[in-house]
Amino acid sequence: DIQMTQSPSTLSASVGDRVTITCRASQSLTSWLAWYQQKPGKAPKLLISDASSLESGVPSRFSGSGSGTEFTLTISSLQPDDFATYYCQQYKIYWTFGQGTKVEIK
Amino acid sequence: EVQLVESGGGLVQPGGSLRLSCAASEFTFSTYSMNWVRQAPGKGLEWLSYISGSSSTIYYADSVKGRFTISRDNAKNSLYLQMNSLRAEDTAVYYCARDTFFSTGGGPFDPWGQGTLVTVSS
Repeated sequence: DIQMTQSPSTLSASVGDRVTITCRASQSLTSWLAWYQQKPGKAPKLLISDASSLESGVPSRFSGSGSGTEFTLTISSLQPDDFATYYCQQYKIYWTFGQGTKVEIK
Repeated sequence: EVQLVESGGGLVQPGGSLRLSCAASEFTFSTYSMNWVRQAPGKGLEWLSYISGSSSTIYYADSVKGRFTISRDNAKNSLYLQMNSLRAEDTAVYYCARDTFFSTGGGPFDPWGQGTLVTVSS
């Protein structure tokens, strides 16, 4: 099984901050990695696929990078609507999610 | 707009059974693989099961293998999850989600339904 490890688990930040979340895989994914945003009581929303491809309608302040076993999600300037929990997901072999990173208001 | 709507959740006793449904609309259901994912209260996301468009390929997570059965009825644009031998640790919100890889499957998930809550308790 492929294990996914996100860091940090919680991140406190202010509006306008640059935020980076890291996701590490237990084996190489090449670029088969996605990022999701989830708000309380809502379903997850796909933000980025194939490690760096922004989904239609997702603001350009979100970006993804990385390949192999280490990946990052960056929010260039945090907005009020961005306070949420973010999950990475590998789809190289079956599907596995990271444990999540909660972005909260500082 | 592509839409997925789950139903069938509720309170069930340990050892009991429940069948979840997911109604799909505004896309050609038979051409997409589908998945079930759950989220225990206050916890992260756990992929449970995958079914290809033709139902020819099915996968399960180890945590539900032998207890849960995924199926679909393309004529009814519906996905199902039959859950047997339920345990307290199966308490979660259950989501259906469409695979983004048209025809082949194996991609990330979009969109997701709103979820249905299953509570296993005596």
